[in-house]
Formats: sequence, C-alpha cells, structure tokens
Amino acid sequence: DAGVIQSPRHEVTEMGQEVTLRCKPISGHNSLFWYRQTMMRGLELLIYFNNNVPIDDSGMPEDRFSAKMPNASFSTLKIQPSEPRDSAVYFCASSFAGSNEQYFGPGTRLTVT
Amino acid sequence: GESVGLHLPTLSVQEGDNSIINCAYSNSASDYFIWYKQESGKGPQFIIDIRSNMDKRQGQRVTVLLNKTVKHLSLQIAATQPGDSAVYFCAENSGGSNYKLTFGKGTLLTVNP
Repeated sequence: DAGVIQSPRHEVTEMGQEVTLRCKPISGHNSLFWYRQTMMRGLELLIYFNNNVPIDDSGMPEDRFSAKMPNASFSTLKIQPSEPRDSAVYFCASSFAGSNEQYFGPGTRLTVT
Repeated sequence: GESVGLHLPTLSVQEGDNSIINCAYSNSASDYFIWYKQESGKGPQFIIDIRSNMDKRQGQRVTVLLNKTVKHLSLQIAATQPGDSAVYFCAENSGGSNYKLTFGKGTLLTVNP
C-alpha cells in the first residue's frame, strides 16, 4: 500500500489567494483526519470524517477553512482567502473506524506570504 | 482545558544507551494512549499504544509505561540508535467513539554516535 498520499508537498502562495490541499487515504480506511502543525501550537486536529461525513469540525479555525470528502478515496482542505498566519504543515491521516491507530501522510508545507 | 504535555522538550543520548521520554496528561477520562515518532520532513509514525487498563506494554526495543495514579506516561527505547533521532509525541484519546486524539508538544531526541 502506498500509504496516505497528500498533494502538493509544498505550496507557496500570496495572502488572499485560495489554497486547496488534497488527500487520498489508505484504501479501506473509513476515518479521515486533517491536522495542522506549527512550532507554537504543535499538532492540532482540524476536522474528522467518518464514512465521508464530517463528525467533528470544532478544530477548524474560522470560516476561511473548509473541508470536503466527496468519496472514500479523496478529501480536500481549502483555505479562502489565505493569510500569513495559516503558514504551517498540514497533515492528513486515516484509520479504520474503531481503531485509534492513525496513519499520517507526508504533509503539505504551506507558506503564505 | 485539559491537555497532554511533556516534561522535557529535548533529550540527547549516546548511541547504545537507553532513552526515556516522559509525558504528563491531565484528563483522567483518557482511556487510550499512543506514542508517535516524527522524523524531519515526514508525518508522525505510530510506535506503540497502551490502554488505560494496562500498566506496561512492550514492543520491539520500546516499552511504554502508564502510571494512572500520577497521570504519567513514558516511552523507553532500548539500545538507542541514530535512526531513533526524531521528535516523539504522546497522544491521548479521551474516550467516546470519535477517536479524537490530543497530541502533546513533542520531545526532540538526538542520538550522538
């Protein structure tokens, strides 16, 4: 298995632009998580999907952030408009429902200038 | 709010020595704990987990100890190798069915040859 796949690996954009991060979970996993990692705040859960349905989005910082999971093999995290304080590494993770073991992707390093 | 934290932000050891990484948690309702390893430029990788009804669990060269009385978790790495150099995170699941993990800030382990 290729593991969790994320794209792009690096993204540099200007403030105000729309950013879309993509994730393909491990085949067969039905839980998907988006995290944000910064030096100051560590690893924070943004949103959690189960069977493509958002279950907990309490970690989404503000309305500029949105996430979708149109099918079991694809999810997006969108930031519109982006701001410099959104600069971070964004991770996607997946797991089997009922399992606490989450498998993380390689992350997308986002820089907003 | 309740959170997971680490005693030591950095730990430096000699190759071949044993390493102990500590973690304090404050949520007494947490029923599941995980240690993750994150190498530079990669996503967190599952190492070992332990349920709250256990005190100790062993893996290959790693042992996790749980002391519920003082809400303390530790990761012991035997015969530490250069490849063990990474940031180590403890994470807790506070129970319930949403499998939401709360991560600590991390400890940087450096193994000196």
